[in-house]
Amino acid sequence: AQTVTQSQPEMSVQEAETVTLSCTYDTSESDYYLFWYKQPPSRQMILVIRQEAYKQQNATENRFSVNFQKAAKSFSLKISDSQLGDAAMYFCAYSVQGGSEKLVFGKGTKLTVNP
Amino acid sequence: NAGVTQTPKFRVLKTGQSMTLLCAQDMNHEYMYWYRQDPGMGLRLIHYSVGEGTTAKGEVPDGYNVSRLKKQNFLLGLESAAPSQTSVYFCASRRGLLNIQYFGAGTRLSVL
Repeated sequence: AQTVTQSQPEMSVQEAETVTLSCTYDTSESDYYLFWYKQPPSRQMILVIRQEAYKQQNATENRFSVNFQKAAKSFSLKISDSQLGDAAMYFCAYSVQGGSEKLVFGKGTKLTVNP
Repeated sequence: NAGVTQTPKFRVLKTGQSMTLLCAQDMNHEYMYWYRQDPGMGLRLIHYSVGEGTTAKGEVPDGYNVSRLKKQNFLLGLESAAPSQTSVYFCASRRGLLNIQYFGAGTRLSVL
């Protein structure tokens, strides 16, 4: 079974600084997707960034970027120039291409941004 | 553009009562999902549907039933609620080609 592990239950960062959230996953599949979702106190799940496993280039979305290491099964999220609005729970998720394409989530990392 | 709408947003039930959670999407997505989120956990898949009239079990299906009679709606039913079903429930629908799931705002359910 596929599993997703987020080893940092909590992280903190100073406003305007950079923080990296870790994620590792276990799979025997070759075609899959990886995601980072943000869940602020409003509870809404918001897609931050998405990576296709067959792409070697790391995905970026404005201040958010990933470091995807396929051989190591690692998928970390870097947030640059952190803002107060970045404070939230961040979930790493995995999905196999084809079939139901359900999401398998990690347990999350709570990010605090200090002014 | 409403996206994915869940009703109700909050509900308190007594043990043994039944209820239905409604999920509606206006994006013409084929795939829909029901997840539950418990404290300290990520979301876990309860049931999903790959199209109108089809449903399938996910990771934690026991105690729940689902129906997808219309493409835009996906219903989650609890026939006899138990305290272990106290959770936050999320519905999602998927845009096929890019495999992006869009989530509703969640339903917080307490079973006393």
